[in-house]
Amino acid sequence: GQSLEQPSEVTAVEGAIVQINCTYQTSGFYGLSWYQQHDGGAPTFLSYNALDGLEETGRFSSFLSRSDSYGYLLLQELQMKDSASYFCAVRPHNAGNMLTFGGGTRLMVKP
Amino acid sequence: EAGVVQSPRYKIIEKKQPVAFWCNPISGHNTLYWYRQNLGQGPELLIRYENEEAVDDSQLPKDRFSAERLKGVDSTLKIQPAELGDSAVYLCASSRNRDRVDEQFFGPGTRLTVL
Repeated sequence: GQSLEQPSEVTAVEGAIVQINCTYQTSGFYGLSWYQQHDGGAPTFLSYNALDGLEETGRFSSFLSRSDSYGYLLLQELQMKDSASYFCAVRPHNAGNMLTFGGGTRLMVKP
Repeated sequence: EAGVVQSPRYKIIEKKQPVAFWCNPISGHNTLYWYRQNLGQGPELLIRYENEEAVDDSQLPKDRFSAERLKGVDSTLKIQPAELGDSAVYLCASSRNRDRVDEQFFGPGTRLTVL
């Protein structure tokens, strides 16, 4: 089966850098995605790593290491509006083309 | 472009009552998904449609849940009868096609409370 583990909660201050980790146990998958969800809102796609390495999109970067079964989302120059839940997701090879989401990390940005 | 539209946004019903949720995906998106999200957890896929064909419906509790996408555009998810454990947010999402599964566009969801 597939299992994605994320810290349940992370707190950081405005302007800082925070890293949200995602470790997984799956036999094989196409890539690792990240989604952001504000309270009461819709999940919003942030990034996708098909290959190992770092992908950068503005203040957000995402990293994947298949050999370490590990990925992370890096948020720089934190802003109050970044307070939200962040979910990693994978599309396993044996799961019929569907996304499996982690439990999510709730990020609280403090002034 | 307009996003994924869902209605209603909130629904409160008593157990054993039926309920239906409606979703209109982004124009031109062939793939449509229904997810259930419990509080503090990630979305869990219920069913995926490729145009009007239902695929990946292994997680759909077929004894009480049903879904349809008759013309390959908007979709309806129904629960009959609802149980207390069905209280959750029901999210609809779409993607351009099955090759863009990893980038999905979600609607705001319907928050269902079963009393």
